[in-house]
Amino acid sequence: QVQLVQSGAEVKKPGASVKVSCVASGYTFTSDHINWVRQASGQGLEWMGWMNPDTGKTGYAQKFQGRVTMTRDTSITTAYMELSSLRSADTAVYYCARTTNSGMDVWGQGTTVTVSS
Amino acid sequence: SFELTQPPSVSVSPGQTARITCSGDALALQFAYWYQQKPGQAPVVVIFKDTERPSGIPERFSGSGSGTEVTLTISGVQAEDEADYYCQSSDSSGTWVFGGGTKLTVL
Repeated sequence: QVQLVQSGAEVKKPGASVKVSCVASGYTFTSDHINWVRQASGQGLEWMGWMNPDTGKTGYAQKFQGRVTMTRDTSITTAYMELSSLRSADTAVYYCARTTNSGMDVWGQGTTVTVSS
Repeated sequence: SFELTQPPSVSVSPGQTARITCSGDALALQFAYWYQQKPGQAPVVVIFKDTERPSGIPERFSGSGSGTEVTLTISGVQAEDEADYYCQSSDSSGTWVFGGGTKLTVL
């Protein structure tokens, strides 16, 4: 079955970086974009950016420009999202999601990132 | 960037019809998508391209739209439909935006 499996929870100090992985299986990894979405506790969904796994091309939300980097390793069908200069406001659950003509139709289970001194 | 506006909450009794609206200028030109999210779970798409329903989503979920407003309608609401619902759309540059979310309460 089509599946996205994310890496485990992270605890980081302010100013550090975090890199979350998203392993795809059950479909052709390079055929569909991967988007990253985050959700702070009790808050709504916030789109961070997209990546084309075939070309590596990316597009980021203006809010995260300069702090986020989305990459992939096609040999292991894995997408990555790295966020730098972390602050407490970045504490959230981070999701990867496959995007097709049907929208974001498959989501990872989420990765909790906690930023605390 | 652009914005999508949803009511914070909607309440209905079981068996009634729930309507959740989403408004924004981008909706006049771009498709809308709707996601259901239950506590502790990842979102699930329930409507795509304004009116299409993915396989496995009950027929009581439907989408409609006109101009800069779209509506998610849940007919014959069931207790299991209690969740947060988010609309989503994009602009021509590939930027995606979510609405603020609507908490559906089944009384």
